[in-house]
Amino acid sequence: DAKTTQPPSMDCAEGRAANLPCNHSTISGNEYVYWYRQIHSQGPQYIIHGLKNNETNEMASLIITEDRKSSTLILPHATLRDTAVYYCIVARNSGNTPLVFGKGTRLSVIA
Amino acid sequence: DADVTQTPRNRITKTGKRIMLECSQTKGHDRMYWYRQDPGLGLRLIYYSFDVKDINKGEISDGYSVSRQAQAKFSLSLESAIPNQTALYFCATSDPDDTYNEQFFGPGTRLTVL
Repeated sequence: DAKTTQPPSMDCAEGRAANLPCNHSTISGNEYVYWYRQIHSQGPQYIIHGLKNNETNEMASLIITEDRKSSTLILPHATLRDTAVYYCIVARNSGNTPLVFGKGTRLSVIA
Repeated sequence: DADVTQTPRNRITKTGKRIMLECSQTKGHDRMYWYRQDPGLGLRLIYYSFDVKDINKGEISDGYSVSRQAQAKFSLSLESAIPNQTALYFCATSDPDDTYNEQFFGPGTRLTVL
């Protein structure tokens, strides 16, 4: 079973920030939070990951609460092309454990 | 650029037939994975391999087998296909030395079992 809980769907207006929440209350100290997205029926694509500090890259920002039990993926200016299923995953960074994908959140960006 | 390729991209077959799905990668990664995705559901892990001599079952390995012929190739077989194996199948790779632990996915194979 996935160790994360995400809302099944969300809507966001084009140009606005999309904030996707994820609960991971049983996260271990050596586990990272990863975010992937899957556009239509393509293979999932890595977005960002973090341990405890907030992270930002060219795609998104990741905000992790101080107790690490939840996080939020932020797409600062959502476009129609950001419409996808977003998966929040917790896993060790060693690569010895395959990623476990839950059902994710289906984000619909609306014009 | 197609670092991870899957063949065929689409396949329709009949119940009881043996089917092989192939995955090739040019990324030089040791780790390879097979997932299946059913409509409205996330990806579920079937098998994974950390190197040529290593094969591990995932959460839904029953009815499937795999072969790691080389570092670059990882095949998934359905010995006797059944309709509930109709799904979208993804292959993925990762580099154990990658600090991001990022997985790279192929384009998927859509399999229909009649």
